[in-house]
Amino acid sequence: GDSVTQMEGPVTLSEEAFLTINCTYTATGYPSLFWYVQYPGEGLQLLLKATKADDKGSNKGFEATYRKETTSFHLEKGSVQVSDSAVYFCALSDGSSNTGKLIFGQGTTLQVKP
Amino acid sequence: NAGVTQTPKFQVLKTGQSMTLQCAQDMNHNSMYWYRQDPGMGLRLIYYSASEGTTDKGEVPNGYNVSRLNKREFSLRLESAAPSQTSVYFCASTGGDSTGNTIYFGEGSWLTVV
Repeated sequence: GDSVTQMEGPVTLSEEAFLTINCTYTATGYPSLFWYVQYPGEGLQLLLKATKADDKGSNKGFEATYRKETTSFHLEKGSVQVSDSAVYFCALSDGSSNTGKLIFGQGTTLQVKP
Repeated sequence: NAGVTQTPKFQVLKTGQSMTLQCAQDMNHNSMYWYRQDPGMGLRLIYYSASEGTTDKGEVPNGYNVSRLNKREFSLRLESAAPSQTSVYFCASTGGDSTGNTIYFGEGSWLTVV
């Protein structure tokens, strides 16, 4: 079945460092890909998405490119801030049905130190 | 602008007790979902409802039942709670042909079974 694999955390960075969180997937059909962010004590919020190969999603300085050839959707940010500390989830939509179900990776905790 | 609202936010149950988690969305979405979040495992789908009047099992349905009461509301019931059901539960919704559409999450319900 479809699945998502994220790099294990936690990831600890200093403020203004470059961030990469790796995400790879296996899927049948043509899924859409998402990054969600969860701040402490809160629900998940959509950070960015891409619906087809070579699309780049971007938001709040984060970006990720849908790479079909490497089945990847890595999250990047050029200069992280303390306020970016959160758990980041990569997800794909279930492309084999029209139910909108999401399949999530296990999440990567990011801690940014001043 | 409420979005997806879940109640209760926190609950402690004794093994064998029953309870219902309530969820309502005010975005006129067709599809609704219940996920559970456990450390290191991301979010796993318990049940979903692709449209009013239909419900289907997700990845981890055992020990749960759901009711899609109307288009707005989708409840999750634990008939006989077990310690393995200690988790954070998220309700979510999305609209129309949901491939690629954004899924909106509630703020979560923290459930502890002792």
